[in-house]
Amino acid sequence: EAGVAQSPRYKIIEKRQSVAFWCNPISGHATLYWYQQILGQGPKLLIQFQNNGVVDDSQLPKDRFSAERLKGVDSTLKIQPAKLEDSAVYLCASSLGGSGEQYFGPGTRLTVT
Amino acid sequence: AQRVTQPEKLLSVFKGAPVELKCNYSYSGSPELFWYVQYSRQRLQLLLRHISRESIKGFTADLNKGETSFHLKKPFAQEEDSAMYYCALQAGTALIFGKGTTLSVSS
Repeated sequence: EAGVAQSPRYKIIEKRQSVAFWCNPISGHATLYWYQQILGQGPKLLIQFQNNGVVDDSQLPKDRFSAERLKGVDSTLKIQPAKLEDSAVYLCASSLGGSGEQYFGPGTRLTVT
Repeated sequence: AQRVTQPEKLLSVFKGAPVELKCNYSYSGSPELFWYVQYSRQRLQLLLRHISRESIKGFTADLNKGETSFHLKKPFAQEEDSAMYYCALQAGTALIFGKGTTLSVSS
């Protein structure tokens, strides 16, 4: 089966600019996750969707980050405006249900200068 | 507070030596724990989960609720085991990851 797809793979922007990341989960996976992984840290959950509804966005900085999963399939994560501390790898993952094994995409490496 | 601690940033061993990657957790409920692995230039992937009680690629991990630990062990390390290993705790529907340990196996 095809894995989780993410684009772009790399992005360099200046602070205060906006950026968007795209994720296509494994077909049939109802649950989609966005993680932020800062260098030297483990992944940190930003938001979790079950189909097109938000299950958990408690750690999403809502003043600058937004995410949507229209039609319950693809998802986009947006940062506007970006700050230097947003430099990280953004990982998308999906799973069949709300628990159990998560399948990760290759990630998008964001550098904010 | 829900937390996963991996005290070692780097673990270097020789091929054939035993390996133990440490993981301690803090969780008030009944924990479900995982080990994820990321090989060079590959995606993060599940290695094993405690409820399955499997041995994957020779690795095992036992949940010790008394010591709140879930250490990953392998009796004889191979060079292809070199990777980044993350311990993760399922807290509700969210996964909480540790900072990870880099395992380096040399010949």
